[in-house]
Amino acid sequence: DIQMTQSPSTLSASIGDRVTITCRASQSISTWLAWYQQKPGKAPKLLIYKASSLESGVPSRFSGSGSGTEFTLTITSLQPDDFATYYCQRYNSYSVTFGQGTKVEIK
Amino acid sequence: QVQMVESGGGVVQPGRSLRLSCAASGFTFSSYGMHWVRQAPGKGLQWVAGLSHDGSNEYYADSVRGRFTISRDNSKHTLYLQMNGLRPEDTALFYCAKDFNPVDTTMLIDYWGQGTLVTVSS
Repeated sequence: DIQMTQSPSTLSASIGDRVTITCRASQSISTWLAWYQQKPGKAPKLLIYKASSLESGVPSRFSGSGSGTEFTLTITSLQPDDFATYYCQRYNSYSVTFGQGTKVEIK
Repeated sequence: QVQMVESGGGVVQPGRSLRLSCAASGFTFSSYGMHWVRQAPGKGLQWVAGLSHDGSNEYYADSVRGRFTISRDNSKHTLYLQMNGLRPEDTALFYCAKDFNPVDTTMLIDYWGQGTLVTVSS
């Protein structure tokens, strides 16, 4: 089965910082990768799909890049609403795997 | 607006069964694949099962294949998850979720319910 590994597990940052989260696949998944944001007690929210496509209504400070086995989620200027846990998800071959999550905390 | 409301969770003993339901609204339910995703307390997300828009194709995680069955009733706009042989490690919040594209099951999830909690304990 394809494994997804995110780094770091926890990230401390300040308002206005540029933040980058990495997700690596154990084998190539082309661009079949999504990113989700989850806040405590809430369901996940889709941010990015197809590695770099921004979901409707998501602020443009969020962006995704990568293909094959290495992917990144970037938040260009961290806002108070962005402190949350972020998950990558590969979706291909009629199966799904999530990364273990990256918690973005206030520094 | 898209909405999914899960029900059927509760406390159950190991080895017993439970059926979860998900009532969907705000979109053409019969046109979209659907999924169940779970999250153990304090842990990450784990996809459990998916089902094509017409119910003809089922997809399962290895950890539940043979124990769980996903199904749907398009006339009732409802998704189900029949869980047999429950184990303590199945304890989790179970989310119902909608596939991104109509007809074609992409396995990409765009909307989630709020979840129903299943606790497996003696």
